[in-house]
Amino acid sequence: AQSVTQLGSHVSVSEGALVLLRCNYSSSVPPYLFWYVQYPNQGLQLLLKYTTGATLVKGINGFEAEFKKSETSFHLTKPSAHMSDAAEYFCAVSSSGSARQLTFGSGTQLTVLP
Amino acid sequence: ETGVTQTPRHLVMGMTNKKSLKCEQHLGHNAMYWYKQSAKKPLELMFVYNFKEQTENNSVPSRFSPECPNSSHLFLHLHTLQPEDSALYLCASSRQTQETQYFGPGTRLLVL
Repeated sequence: AQSVTQLGSHVSVSEGALVLLRCNYSSSVPPYLFWYVQYPNQGLQLLLKYTTGATLVKGINGFEAEFKKSETSFHLTKPSAHMSDAAEYFCAVSSSGSARQLTFGSGTQLTVLP
Repeated sequence: ETGVTQTPRHLVMGMTNKKSLKCEQHLGHNAMYWYKQSAKKPLELMFVYNFKEQTENNSVPSRFSPECPNSSHLFLHLHTLQPEDSALYLCASSRQTQETQYFGPGTRLLVL
């Protein structure tokens, strides 16, 4: 079984401030981990993913995430928030086996204050 | 047109209506998925199709009936829905089931 916990359903930051969105997972096998972003009235867009190899993963729009096995975490960061980053962010983990199905967290709504 | 498209984008239906949601992917993928996104809840996987064959049905009520005529198209037929079925229905595709999924914009469904 696998699960994802996103700490904080709402996060607010000022424009230019650090963005930190937290994600912890549980998985009985080595996980694949994903961050997706959803803008209002749109579907989910892949930000970045970790499968194997380098634990620091860089994605689009200046976001990055670090896989920490010892902490079972995959937190998403961006050094400087932009107004256009306001959206909902979803962390997801995929299962093992031939059908790697995604399990999503509940999402974190990011608000960027001027 | 590229990516994953869904039609209609918005749908209002009564509980006795029959309607269908359509998803089309232009990515050459072999796997397609239906998800339900309700307010305040995580995305729920409903169905998985791989090479047109259904490989997963996550205990979805029979009032939701999927159809996958080919690897590029996926339908969700709706019949006698309940108000609690109101949600955003997202379609996704991937090259193989173990690979990254790409999502469409969703259909916002309201059941009255």
